[in-house]
Amino acid sequence: AQRVTQPEKLLSVFKGAPVELKCNYSYSGSPELFWYVQYSRQRLQLLLRHISRESIKGFTADLNKGETSFHLKKPFAQEEDSAMYYCALRPLTGSARQLTFGSGTQLTVLP
Amino acid sequence: TGVTQSPTHLIKTRGQQVTLSCSPISGHRSVSWYQQTPGQGLQFLFEYFSETQRNKGNFPGRFSGRQFSNSRSEMNVSTLELGDSALYLCASSPDGGRTDTQYFGPGTRLTVL
Repeated sequence: AQRVTQPEKLLSVFKGAPVELKCNYSYSGSPELFWYVQYSRQRLQLLLRHISRESIKGFTADLNKGETSFHLKKPFAQEEDSAMYYCALRPLTGSARQLTFGSGTQLTVLP
Repeated sequence: TGVTQSPTHLIKTRGQQVTLSCSPISGHRSVSWYQQTPGQGLQFLFEYFSETQRNKGNFPGRFSGRQFSNSRSEMNVSTLELGDSALYLCASSPDGGRTDTQYFGPGTRLTVL
């Protein structure tokens, strides 16, 4: 079974400061990792996925298989980054295709 | 247009049953349902593809679903319990394949009194 852990429920940083949202996973096979974001009163939307190796809105995340982590980073946080962030995992092999989500981190960027 | 869900909000009492609806993005054939609660977070309920349930999460049999030939999906919860109060999200993708991105709807907020 797979599991995703986001140790920080709440995270506050000041505008312009670096931000890192932690995500650790446990899965015996090959995973695909995602970050989803939910802005206030908006639907859940994909921020980035490790396979595409894109940088979206200045966010990056590197899959570290040795540490089983997929931390989300941004060098200079903006107030509009305030949102709920979810890390998610999906198996790359096998019949299961569903996303397993972490419990989420509420990021607040202070002015 | 994106994924749409109806109704937006719903209030039921214990013991009743409820049906929620999801219309996927045009051309998408896979629809997944998730339950979101403050305590348990986002949990997978089931996935439908081409009118067949392809995957199922760890929920009791009171939770069921179906998919129609136009890919629209419904989920049903029978004999409602207080703990079923949650935001129910559906997500669609082209075929639920390995490289698919799931697009989420706005959710249906169910309150069980």
